[in-house]
Amino acid sequence: KNQVEQSPQSLIILEGKNCTLQCNYTVSPFSNLRWYKQDTGRGPVSLTIMTFSENTKSNGRYTATLDADTKQSSLHITASQLSDSASYICVVSSLSGGYNKLIFGAGTRLAVHP
Amino acid sequence: GAGVSQSPSNKVTEKGKDVELRCDPISGHTALYWYRQRLGQGLEFLIYFQGNSAPDKSGLPSDRFSAERTGESVSTLTIQRTQQEDSAVYLCASSHRLAGGPHEQFFGPGTRLTVL
Repeated sequence: KNQVEQSPQSLIILEGKNCTLQCNYTVSPFSNLRWYKQDTGRGPVSLTIMTFSENTKSNGRYTATLDADTKQSSLHITASQLSDSASYICVVSSLSGGYNKLIFGAGTRLAVHP
Repeated sequence: GAGVSQSPSNKVTEKGKDVELRCDPISGHTALYWYRQRLGQGLEFLIYFQGNSAPDKSGLPSDRFSAERTGESVSTLTIQRTQQEDSAVYLCASSHRLAGGPHEQFFGPGTRLTVL
């Protein structure tokens, strides 16, 4: 069964600290992996998209890694800011039969405190 | 418009009524997705339109749910005989399909549906 599992479920850190969010997946065939940020009451916004051949991609203070062998990804946030408080969603894409089906993780809810 | 828009932003309805939600994708985007997000939970795939191909309806939870899209434009999601369990935020996303490559999805702000 195609699944995406994220950990931790929630996380509280102090402003300025770093953190790492985890994503494990069992999706086949694998097309790409995405990380989204979703602010409360808003739609998700894409942070990174990685294909099978990419093992790291950065977007400002966000760095995503992908290990396609172990089917694991992480999102590292450096020097956190209050505005980083949001849910972070890992999404794995499976391209099958011409359809790009996305399997969503439940998200990690991050709270950055001053 | 520059982004995906959805209407209404909020909808309160009585149990048993039908509702229709609208999504205007980004111009030129051939793919359109509908998702449901219950309070405090992750996104749940509902349906996917890709150009003129038959839609992927595998995520629709029951036959009370249906969606239409004409060409590569507006889509409507219809929920008939609404139940309280249908209360959620309904999100629409569109993307520009590139053959063989990943394509970023752009999400709308969602419609918050409350069934009393």
